[in-house]
Amino acid sequence: AQSVSQHNHHVILSEAASLELGCNYSYGGTVNLFWYVQYPGQHLQLLLKYFSGDPLVKGIKGFEAEFIKSKFSFNLRKPSVQWSDTAEYFCAVNGPPGTYKDIFGTGTRLKVLA
Amino acid sequence: DTAVSQTPKYLVTQMGNDKSIKCEQNLGHDTMYWYKQDSKKFLKIMFSYNNKELIINETVPNRFSPKSPDKAHLNLHINSLELGDSAVYFCASSQNFNEQFFGPGTRLTVL
Repeated sequence: AQSVSQHNHHVILSEAASLELGCNYSYGGTVNLFWYVQYPGQHLQLLLKYFSGDPLVKGIKGFEAEFIKSKFSFNLRKPSVQWSDTAEYFCAVNGPPGTYKDIFGTGTRLKVLA
Repeated sequence: DTAVSQTPKYLVTQMGNDKSIKCEQNLGHDTMYWYKQDSKKFLKIMFSYNNKELIINETVPNRFSPKSPDKAHLNLHINSLELGDSAVYFCASSQNFNEQFFGPGTRLTVL
């Protein structure tokens, strides 16, 4: 069965620091990959997604993620975080093909200090 | 124009009661989901319907029963509420199993 690991549970950064959040999944075949963000008190929103093509995906608000198939990883990055990036970040994976559900990681809570 | 809406936003009730949460999406999506998010923010899928057909039914107590009257609606009925049911319940929808659009959530508190 597909599983998703987010190793960083809590991350605290100062503004302007660089961010990288890890996401690893278990299934080695074709997958669709997502990063969602949940701002305090709000619902989940899509940051970016990867289905195929260029493994470096750019999303909203300056976020990007790189799909590395050999490492089963889809890490999220941002060169310079802002206080407004304080949120919970979820990686999700859909696969193998014909799987109807997205498997979500346990989330990473990011706190950015002003 | 809200894409995925849920009612109510907050629900406070006593143990043993029966309650329902409603979800509607106006995106024309073919698939709808219910998730439970606990106090640690862990997101767990409960049910999913594709074109009104139940396609995901995770290990959830049978006190929880989803109902999809049409593609745009997926309601969740909970019987005999327990303290452990307290959580935020999110509805979501997607098209062709693409990215999901989430509703604002329903915070359920069981006293």
